[in-house]
Amino acid sequence: AQSVTQPDIHITVSEGASLELRCNYSYGATPYLFWYVQSPGQGLQLLLKYFSGDTLVQGIKGFEAEFKRSQSSFNLRKPSVHWSDAAEYFCAVAEANTGKLIFGQGTTLQVKP
Amino acid sequence: SAVISQKPSRDICQRGTSLTIQCQVDSQVTMMFWYRQQPGQSLTLIATANQGSEATYESGFVIDKFPISRPNLTFSTLTVSNMSPEDSSIYLCSVVMGPYEQYFGPGTRLTVT
Repeated sequence: AQSVTQPDIHITVSEGASLELRCNYSYGATPYLFWYVQSPGQGLQLLLKYFSGDTLVQGIKGFEAEFKRSQSSFNLRKPSVHWSDAAEYFCAVAEANTGKLIFGQGTTLQVKP
Repeated sequence: SAVISQKPSRDICQRGTSLTIQCQVDSQVTMMFWYRQQPGQSLTLIATANQGSEATYESGFVIDKFPISRPNLTFSTLTVSNMSPEDSSIYLCSVVMGPYEQYFGPGTRLTVT
């Protein structure tokens, strides 16, 4: 069965430091991968997606993610974190035949001044 | 992307009552989903609501508890029936725009007392 694992439940980084949030997936075919961000009291916002092609994808707000098939990973990165990046981050994979999203458990990002 | 609104944004309800949540989209979409996000948890798919067909429910969710309507391509409702405190969650609708990309409404925060 398809699944998504985000190993880090909670991460704290200092403002201006780099960030990497981990995501591992289990999917039999070519995965359609996404990262979403949920700020407190808000809905989910799509940060970026990977369907095919270049394995390094750029998203909004300065985020990027790298797809590594050999490691079944799709890690999210940002070179310099801002206080406004504090939020919950979800990695997800889409089922190709239904479009349903399977979400990881989420990673809470805290940013220290 | 799409502009998605939900009503109400939040509500406090007594156990045994029902609440209907509305989801409105600013463009016509075929595929729409309803999710539940329990406190501190990730998103769980409740059902797929495609216009012109009956909603398809995920394991653990039944129509009697979560009836869904999808009268046209821009609107859907989810009713949470005979509520109990365990139904306290954020309920989100999403729409599919383009291949596999889902965009989410702001959510409805429900508290059952």
